[in-house]
Amino acid sequence: DGGITQSPKYLFRKEGQNVTLSCEQNLNHDAMYWYRQDPGQGLRLIYYSQIVNDFQKGDIAEGYSVSREKKESFPLTVTSAQKNPTAFYLCASGDRGIDTQYFGPGTRLTVL
Amino acid sequence: AQSVSQHNHHVILSEAASLELGCNYSYGGTVNLFWYVQYPGQHLQLLLKYFSGDPLVKGIKGFEAEFIKSKFSFNLRKPSVQWSDTAEYFCAVDSGGGADGLTFGKGTHLIIQP
Repeated sequence: DGGITQSPKYLFRKEGQNVTLSCEQNLNHDAMYWYRQDPGQGLRLIYYSQIVNDFQKGDIAEGYSVSREKKESFPLTVTSAQKNPTAFYLCASGDRGIDTQYFGPGTRLTVL
Repeated sequence: AQSVSQHNHHVILSEAASLELGCNYSYGGTVNLFWYVQYPGQHLQLLLKYFSGDPLVKGIKGFEAEFIKSKFSFNLRKPSVQWSDTAEYFCAVDSGGGADGLTFGKGTHLIIQP
């Protein structure tokens, strides 16, 4: 069954703790993306990666970090420097040069 | 930086009514345009897209959109909505040839009353 998986679906953390969100895809896509969705704000790009071992900052990268050690995986770490981390986080993937992105089910992070 | 504007944040319609959701973007060069839909409790999924060619594009579930370059617009339409069309709709633009992510509008929450 091809697709994008994100885990966990819900995540609760205490303020000041770092937390890592998982994203895995088996679509053989080169490119992967992380977006943040807030009510009434649409989706905003956090980080993206076009190829293994390379990634770029998006519009709202401050307080986040990523790695891309494998083609299938693009984990996102929400650090304690992120001032307002409570949000719905969406991972996406796509073929480089072909623009359709496919989205995972999302992780809802709540920082208490 | 480019931006995407969706005119209506909340729309309420009755079943069988016609739908048009507005979308305008700011980038003046070549763009690829998308409409995504997020049904309650489901993944964000592609509704339709425009890359080039015929400016009137058809998508899934009877939706269509028209690209009007002179107006920087990509409005979504459906002649007769159904209760199952209740969802959040996002317009998105790519101006980087797929290289650097999409710019999304803030979304339109559509509620269809039976």
